[in-house]
Formats: sequence, C-alpha cells, structure tokens
Amino acid sequence: DGGITQSPKYLFRKEGQNVTLSCEQNLNHDAMYWYRQDPGQGLRLIYYSQIVNDFQKGDIAEGYSVSREKKESFPLTVTSAQKNPTAFYLCASSTPGREDTQYFGPGTRLTVL
Amino acid sequence: QQQVKQSPQSLIVQKGGISIINCAYENTAFDYFPWYQQFPGKGPALLIAIRPDVSEKKEGRFTISFNKSAKQFSLHIMDSQPGDSATYFCAASIRGATNKLIFGTGTLLAVQP
Repeated sequence: DGGITQSPKYLFRKEGQNVTLSCEQNLNHDAMYWYRQDPGQGLRLIYYSQIVNDFQKGDIAEGYSVSREKKESFPLTVTSAQKNPTAFYLCASSTPGREDTQYFGPGTRLTVL
Repeated sequence: QQQVKQSPQSLIVQKGGISIINCAYENTAFDYFPWYQQFPGKGPALLIAIRPDVSEKKEGRFTISFNKSAKQFSLHIMDSQPGDSATYFCAASIRGATNKLIFGTGTLLAVQP
C-alpha cells in the first residue's frame, strides 16, 4: 500500500529532552512537509522540503529541526528550545506538478510532561 | 494577508440537513482553494478543491461555492450524514510558488442522527 507512515502514534517525553518524530513515504513524492496542529489554530507549517538535502522554514520553525537525506524520509526533531511542544504533529507529501495537493500521514501526538 | 479566516468554529446539523462552512481570504494571489476533512486521530484528507476560474464545483453531496469579488468561498454538504461528522479545514495557496498551503482554523461538524 502506498502512503505516509508516521511513528510512533503517541509519544511522551520529559521536559528538556529532544525528541525525533519519524515520517516515511513510499509515494515517490519530492516534497514533504511538517505541520503542527493545536485546538482552534488549524494546521501551521513548521518546515518543508521540496527536494533531497534541501528544506525551508515554515511559519513556526523555532525550536524544531529537520533533515532530508533520503527522498522517502523527513524526520522532525523537537528540541528543548521549543517552548510549548505538546501538540499533534502531521507529516505530508506532494507530487511534482501537484504540489498544492498534499497527502497527510496519520499524525503523532506528542506530550511533554 | 496570508490568513484564511474560517467560520463557524463548530457546527451541529441534523441528519439530512445542509452544513455550510465559510472561509475568507485577503491575498488575491491565491489561486487554489482546497477543503480537507479530518476524522479524530487521523490526518486530514483532501475532500474537494476549486480554482478561481469557476464559481462552483460539485462532487457528490459536497459543493464549493466561490465568490472571487468578495474573496470568500464556502463548503456545502447536502443531505448531511452522521458519517460526515469530522473537522473541516479550508485552505489556500499560490500554485507554483512555495507550495505552501495556508489553512483555516477548522470547523468541527457534528451531524446528529
């Protein structure tokens, strides 16, 4: 089955710890995105990557980092610098020529204790 | 100018009724307006989308109405069903630009049996 996999579904971390969220896609999409979802605030773009080894900051990149070493993978690290990391994180991808249609993974709910 | 304003925040509709969700934007450069549907604990999925060269697009029970002069667009769900209960997000983007979708804040729809 083609799709986007995010793991784990639920993640708990202590305050001050860095944590990495996984995102893998087998859709052969060039572009990948990370969003943060909070109640009443919709989806906010953290980082996006249009090609391997290249990525750009989104609207709320502070406290986050990403890498794009492989086309299929776009991991997101939530660092201790992120002041309010508890949220639902969504990964998405899109295909060349159809970048405006994004396909989302099932999400990871991160809770920082 | 990059915002998409969505209303209402929540909506309760009786089975068989019409659900209407509205969005407004400021940036006249936006040229793609999708709606995403999200069930609890899942990632959003593209429901229907419209470009500004048409005023209406219908797919089954779902219709987008687009008013370019007013910079508004809306989603109508005809004959609403309990299975339509979900969160709906409108979005906007500039095709071929940065591939960034700007999302509204979401509408939680509950269709009562």
